[in-house]
Amino acid sequence: DVKVTQSSRYLVKRTGEKVFLECVQDMDHENMFWYRQDPGLGLRLIYFSYDVKMKEKGDIPEGYSVSREKKERFSLILESASTNQTSMYLCASSGGQWDYEQYFGPGTRLTVT
Amino acid sequence: GNSVTQMEGPVTLSEEAFLTINCTYTATGYPSLFWYVQYPGEGLQLLLKATKADDKGSNKGFEATYRKETTSFHLEKGSVQVSDSAVYFCALSGRRQGAQKLVFGQGTRLTINP
Repeated sequence: DVKVTQSSRYLVKRTGEKVFLECVQDMDHENMFWYRQDPGLGLRLIYFSYDVKMKEKGDIPEGYSVSREKKERFSLILESASTNQTSMYLCASSGGQWDYEQYFGPGTRLTVT
Repeated sequence: GNSVTQMEGPVTLSEEAFLTINCTYTATGYPSLFWYVQYPGEGLQLLLKATKADDKGSNKGFEATYRKETTSFHLEKGSVQVSDSAVYFCALSGRRQGAQKLVFGQGTRLTINP
């Protein structure tokens, strides 16, 4: 059974803290994605990675960075958390070059106070 | 750029009612189209997809037909159940080699009452 796991379901951080969100997939997928989900806005792509150490900005990369040192792991980093980064964060992965289906993790609800 | 527009929610229906959730898109070329579903407390999961015009995707009693002439991909189900209560997202993906970015609609929350 395919699986994408995220390190935390709920996280509370203070303004200015550095925050790490971890995502691991066990499907040997090349592509991994980070989205944030906000009511009325759907899902918006923050960053994605198509190979180890390779990354591309999505639609809303400001305030975020990512790291992919191993194929199965993709980390989202908030260098200095702010209250407008309070959101649900979803990680996803997809397979080969023509595989469009993305598999999602359960999400991390981050609250920045 | 590419975009997806879904009907506004929330939608509340009685069990066994007919469901339609509208989805229209704007895209260059010939995108692939998807419906994802998010049950409470879970991540998104693929419900159905269509990769070319006139294709019909179907799963769990849900159907959607890729209509190029109206740029639409409406989700339908003939008789909904309480267990169908969830948030539904329409999405499209550009058809090119390599990592596929999905563009999502805003989501439609569906509640089915017994």
